[in-house]
Amino acid sequence: QVQLQQSGPGLVKPSQTLSLTCAISGDNVSSDSATWNWIRQSPSRGLEWLGRTYYRSRTSQWYHDYGLSLESRIAINPDISENRFSLQLNSVTPEDTALYYCARAAYDSRGYGYGMDVWGQGTTVTVSS
Amino acid sequence: SYELTQPPSLSVSPGQTATITCSGDALPKQFAYWYQQKPGQAPVVVIYKDTERPSGIPERFSGSSSGTTVTLTITGVQAEDEADYYCQSADTGGTYHFFGGGTKVTV
Repeated sequence: QVQLQQSGPGLVKPSQTLSLTCAISGDNVSSDSATWNWIRQSPSRGLEWLGRTYYRSRTSQWYHDYGLSLESRIAINPDISENRFSLQLNSVTPEDTALYYCARAAYDSRGYGYGMDVWGQGTTVTVSS
Repeated sequence: SYELTQPPSLSVSPGQTATITCSGDALPKQFAYWYQQKPGQAPVVVIYKDTERPSGIPERFSGSSSGTTVTLTITGVQAEDEADYYCQSADTGGTYHFFGGGTKVTV
């Protein structure tokens, strides 16, 4: 059974960096059939996909895709040794206050998706001085 | 920026059929996914690849697709189906992912 366990601070000061980690059990961050995503949810923005990281063995490369509105402030990175992935969001403002989720998106052998089928428990992050 | 458009709310009586639409220009080229979210819980996939139902999801949940619109249908709605429902898909290139604004279903 795949599980994702989130960790990180719930309070971040404006202009500082939001950092969250998502530990994976039952799967591998280097899996060829998954991508590892961060999503946030707020009353004003609803569910917002932030970005993802994933590995593909046919190219031996890691890939990173980020939501267009955050591209200049965000980084999502794998930690192979710890089997986890992280989110860093720089220069936060109160508008970044939200419930943050990590999630796995699984794919079949042809690359067709099953959707974001496993989610972390969510971390409420408040940006305030 | 790409958008997926859903009606904000829907009220349905127990045993009736709930139909939720999601519109987006890239939907003819990208699969859609539907999520159910209950208060205090993370979203759960109820439909993937437009029409497929994951194991453990009741048969009353079904999905369909036509052009730029995908539809989630709940046939014989039960009280436990009261939740927010979100569609999700990608842009035409498959790189950027988006969620619809969500539909609150009240039973």
